[in-house]
Amino acid sequence: DQQVKQNSPSLSVQEGRISILNCDYTNSMFDYFLWYKKYPAEGPTFLISISSIKDKNEDGRFTVFLNKSAKHLSLHIVPSQPGDSAVYFCAARERGSNYKLTFGKGTLLTVNP
Amino acid sequence: SQTIHQWPATLVQPVGSPLSLECTVEGTSNPNLYWYRQAAGRGLQLLFYSVGIGQISSEVPQNLSASRPQDRQFILSSKKLLLSDSGFYLCAWTDRGRLYTSPLPFGNGTRLTVT
Repeated sequence: DQQVKQNSPSLSVQEGRISILNCDYTNSMFDYFLWYKKYPAEGPTFLISISSIKDKNEDGRFTVFLNKSAKHLSLHIVPSQPGDSAVYFCAARERGSNYKLTFGKGTLLTVNP
Repeated sequence: SQTIHQWPATLVQPVGSPLSLECTVEGTSNPNLYWYRQAAGRGLQLLFYSVGIGQISSEVPQNLSASRPQDRQFILSSKKLLLSDSGFYLCAWTDRGRLYTSPLPFGNGTRLTVT
């Protein structure tokens, strides 16, 4: 039972364009959502998060949108840069869970120069 | 500032051999500690977490165990490795005082290959 789903295993975009990574979830008890970026042989690094009481959070080139009714969130990267090429994981935390995160399988983003 | 250390970075072990991976956190006290694993083609799966010394919660039944002998030390072990234990093991921590306001920082991971 996969509670966090990233249905696109890979995405390729041109430098300067927008990258949109999508994530769907099924658990209504999730109250906090995070995006992590991961390079090979390294641990994930935190990118941006959003609380369930918000529908948008922005940090520089990165914006996360949350649609609670659709149980869907997305990460927008504008403009995309070659250094953004990495695997992006969507994660969700269940309310009162001692910060146990449930992760999606990740989306490999490739930004072409 | 807080830092998290994991070692070794890579490990190749034969089937049936024991395993010990160590994680330590500096610059904080009484953190929550977590072990995650990323298997090939899969997302990160929570294996164990600990809210205090000697307190371990297991998330999935498996061939592995965890221990927390000191406040900032978290150890992942196995008595006999299986091929299916291969993967990328990640330690993470969080400040219990900021459980609801901060992200979960990860260590750099250990790549385990069981042959």
